[in-house]
Parts: sequence; C-alpha cells; structure tokens
Amino acid sequence: DIQMTQSPSSLSASVGDRVIITCRASQNITNYLNWYQQKPGKAPKILIYAASSLQSGVPSRFSGSGSGTDFTLTISSLQPEDFAPYYCQQSYSTPRTFGQGTKVEIK
Amino acid sequence: QVQLVQSGAEVKKPGASVKVSCKASGYTFTGYYLHWVRQAPGQGLEWMGRINPNSGGTNYAQKFQGRVTMTRDTSISTAYMELSRLRSDDTAVYYCAREREIHDQWPFIDYWGQGTLVTVSS
Repeated sequence: DIQMTQSPSSLSASVGDRVIITCRASQNITNYLNWYQQKPGKAPKILIYAASSLQSGVPSRFSGSGSGTDFTLTISSLQPEDFAPYYCQQSYSTPRTFGQGTKVEIK
Repeated sequence: QVQLVQSGAEVKKPGASVKVSCKASGYTFTGYYLHWVRQAPGQGLEWMGRINPNSGGTNYAQKFQGRVTMTRDTSISTAYMELSRLRSDDTAVYYCAREREIHDQWPFIDYWGQGTLVTVSS
C-alpha cells in the first residue's frame, strides 16, 4: 500500500497569511494526488486534482504543485472560511490512501 | 444534479452487522465507481473500498477484508456497504462517494453522500 504523510499535522495562521501544507507519498505516484477540504460536520470537498488542477468553483487562492513523491497545497491568502482540516489522497492505485490530515486553525 | 443519499444513523451492539445504503441520482449510476470512506470521531479519513456499479467488481482495503461486503442494485441505483463483526472502534461516520476521471485518468472524488453515523456500543 502507498502511505501518505502530511505535514504539519496542524498549524495556526492569521487571515491573509500564506499557508503551505505538504504531502509525501511512500512511492512515486506521478501526479495522481488530490486535495480535499472538510468543514465541521460536512463531507470533504475536492479542491485540487491531478496535483495541480483546480476544481471548478474553487477559489484561485488555492493551488497545488508537485510530482513523484512530494506535493504541496498552498493557500495564498488565508480567508476566514478556510480554517478547516485538509487531506491529501493518492489515486494512483488502490487502496486509495489518505494523508492523516492537516488542521488549519486561527492564530 | 448529482446526489448521493445515504440511509440513517444506526446503533449496533458489538458482534453485530450493519448495512448502509447509498442511493444515487442525477447521473448514470453504472458509469462511475462508488467508494466507501469512514471517519471515526475526531479522526481522519479512512478508505474502505470501492465498487464498480457496472460489473459489481470490488476492491477492499486489506484492513477490512473478510468483514466488509460492497454490493449494488442497478435497478434502483443504490449501493450498499455491509460491515460485520462490529467492534467499538468501528464507531464512525460512513460516507459513500462517487469517483470521476478526467480523460480516463486522474481519478478523484467529486460527490459525497451526507454520511451515516454508525455507533457500536453495548
């Protein structure tokens, strides 16, 4: 199975900050990497697929990059509605493993 | 519009089984894989497996092999996930979720059910 490791597990930031979350795969997954955001009590929502493609309707302050084993999710200017957990997921193979999550909290 | 509507919350005793349903609408049911993902209270997302609604073929996470069964009924566009020999650490919200691809590549989950809380308690 491919293991996905996110860092940090949590971070504190202020509105307007630039936030970077990293995700590392245990083997080469080319660009088969997705990012999801989850609001409390809700199902996750896709932000980025194929490592860097922005899903329709997602604000452009979200961006993704990387290939192979190392990936990043960047929020260019954190907004109040962005405080939430974020998960990476590989879709290179089954099982479709998720990272353990990164909680973005208000400083 | 695409919708995945799941069955309601369940309370089960240890050792029992639970069967959660996921009714799809707004798209061709047999055209997309359906995945099951669970989330224990305060924890992250855990992939359980997937079903190909067209063929009925399944892939399960090793952790759940032998305890989970995913099925579907194409006549009513509904998928099912049954988990047996429940334990207290199976207490979680269970989601069904549709996976799509872009140009037959780069799969990702684009729609989720509302989640079904399964509580396992004696």
